[in-house]
Amino acid sequence: EAGVTQSPTHLIKTRGQQATLRCSPISGHTSVYWYQQALGLGLQFLLWYDEGEERNRGNFPPRFSGRQFPNYSSELNVNALELEDSALYLCASSLGGNNQPQHFGDGTRLSIL
Amino acid sequence: KQEVTQIPAALSVPEGENLVLNCSFTDSAIYNLQWFRQDPGKGLTSLLLIQSSQREQTSGRLNASLDKSSGRSTLYIAASQPGDSATYLCAVLLISSGSARQLTFGSGTQLTVLP
Repeated sequence: EAGVTQSPTHLIKTRGQQATLRCSPISGHTSVYWYQQALGLGLQFLLWYDEGEERNRGNFPPRFSGRQFPNYSSELNVNALELEDSALYLCASSLGGNNQPQHFGDGTRLSIL
Repeated sequence: KQEVTQIPAALSVPEGENLVLNCSFTDSAIYNLQWFRQDPGKGLTSLLLIQSSQREQTSGRLNASLDKSSGRSTLYIAASQPGDSATYLCAVLLISSGSARQLTFGSGTQLTVLP
């Protein structure tokens, strides 16, 4: 069974540009989560999508947005990139229900120059 | 606000030693607690998930325990191997945010197993 896959592995952008990160969940998983792991800040929750809808959002500005497609894959978009957006962005997926484990991909390393 | 603490931040042990990693949390109203490992530059690998009604879970050489009343969890690794070297993270899902599926992570323990 394929795990959570994320693309691209690395992404280099400059300040003010826009970035799009992609995630394919484990087959059968309907929930997709996005987390940011910035140096020195630990893992911070960004967004949760389920059945195509945004269900929850962490404490991030509106320039962080995303969507979930009918096949349950997801995109994270970051507009007007800032230097502090440099981080590892991790996607996770799970089955429905609060007691299901979240399974993570290998992440996209976003570097802002 | 829920805080999740992992002590020590780093741990170095000789191969073959049994070891315990600690995780504490301030809000005991949790759905579950999950342990992960993270290799350098990689994503998280789910190791064990303990439901709030459970006391422990085992997988191979790993055993995780949960004491909700004291807000503590431990991850026991038996007969450690160099391949166990990684950062170990614990994360809780609060009942208050359970409907929001928002995991709260500790900062991790960086484990090095010396050959």
